[in-house]
Amino acid sequence: NAGVTQTPKFRILKIGQSMTLQCTQDMNHNYMYWYRQDPGMGLKLIYYSVGAGITDKGEVPNGYNVSRSTTEDFPLRLELAAPSQTSVYFCASSRGVQETQYFGPGTRLLVL
Amino acid sequence: RKEVEQDPGPFNVPEGATVAFNCTYSNSASQSFFWYRQDCRKEPKLLMSVYSSGNEDGRFTAQLNRASQYISLLIRDSKLSDSATYLCVVNNGGSYIPTFGRGTSLIVHP
Repeated sequence: NAGVTQTPKFRILKIGQSMTLQCTQDMNHNYMYWYRQDPGMGLKLIYYSVGAGITDKGEVPNGYNVSRSTTEDFPLRLELAAPSQTSVYFCASSRGVQETQYFGPGTRLLVL
Repeated sequence: RKEVEQDPGPFNVPEGATVAFNCTYSNSASQSFFWYRQDCRKEPKLLMSVYSSGNEDGRFTAQLNRASQYISLLIRDSKLSDSATYLCVVNNGGSYIPTFGRGTSLIVHP
């Protein structure tokens, strides 16, 4: 049982490049979330999903897109990278909305 | 008023000290509460859930005060390894989105 896995661990992007951050969970959780955390700051919700085929925007969705074609996977897409997207990105999942969230180890992204 | 507020600290305490953090929330309909721990540059991990009657796990005690809308975390006999940021999380009944506080930084020194 690996829990929540994220790839890559670290990536450097040039301005305007695109990339997909991968997130997979093996706990059969319906709820999945993407957060970003800037240095010294709290977590900000980017997108979330309550089940396969259902996604919705969080607090800071601009510049990002998501899809949820399976229960296990919840990739985050950056289409045109900007320096403001330099951050640590965490994916999380939970069995229910009132339940514990389990986080992946994070992806550190640097946009230059 | 922010939905969930925490004193960012840092709380700087010696080993063996007792330290307490509070977290206030604004939505009286909030239904579930948690404390998470986040080490530097790592993912948050669940420390403990907070139950209405209060709960204890070793040196850690969590309390919920619904009347005053806050939760608390008490750490007894602090260890160097307790140094971390402690996040409170509040779930509202009518939302799919849990609300995280910004965290309270704890530094335990020898």
